[in-house]
Amino acid sequence: DTGVSQNPRHKITKRGQNVTFRCDPISEHNRLYWYRQTLGQGPEFLTYFQNEAQLEKSRLLSDRFSAERPKGSFSTLEIQRTEQGDSAMYLCASSLIRGESNQPQHFGDGTRLSIL
Amino acid sequence: GNSVTQMEGPVTLSEEAFLTINCTYTATGYPSLFWYVQYPGEGLQLLLKATKADDKGSNKGFEATYRKETTSFHLEKGSVQVSDSAVYFCVVRRNTGKLIFGQGTTLQVKP
Repeated sequence: DTGVSQNPRHKITKRGQNVTFRCDPISEHNRLYWYRQTLGQGPEFLTYFQNEAQLEKSRLLSDRFSAERPKGSFSTLEIQRTEQGDSAMYLCASSLIRGESNQPQHFGDGTRLSIL
Repeated sequence: GNSVTQMEGPVTLSEEAFLTINCTYTATGYPSLFWYVQYPGEGLQLLLKATKADDKGSNKGFEATYRKETTSFHLEKGSVQVSDSAVYFCVVRRNTGKLIFGQGTTLQVKP
């Protein structure tokens, strides 16, 4: 169990640029979640996948945001035309859902996005 | 909708003091409840959980009891240590697995 891995750890970019983050979940986990955390607040749900299917998207996820999990393993989160308000820590979590068993989510260390 | 309210911090205690961090929630049905902890410079870690009414979650000397009648899940520890200094999040899990976090409570323990 190598844990949830996120890359990059930090991303600094100019307003208007596109950015992409990657998340590698724990290998046998079929659920993958994205959250956003701003300073002094708890994480807020963005979207989640079961295997390769994206099952729910938050209203926080504007049309500038897109997430994929093409083979049901790693996932990418892309933000187009970044804005100042996108500055935050983007967290990925994964868990195993099997029948009635719903295991807790394990979190990565996050990608910190700073928009200049 | 679901929401979680935690006591505001920072909470500052001396080593070996008793800790309570209050948490109340609103939710439909019977959600699972969690406390996650974020130590300085580290990622979120699960501290403890409770999946049904009257369950008590415990770990590392911390405890919390799922109280459906008061919709509460208060975190307690009998004797805190400096190493417990961190941000603590009370969390509700919806049926879809989506987590709803409180705003977090910062705990500072002084020697």
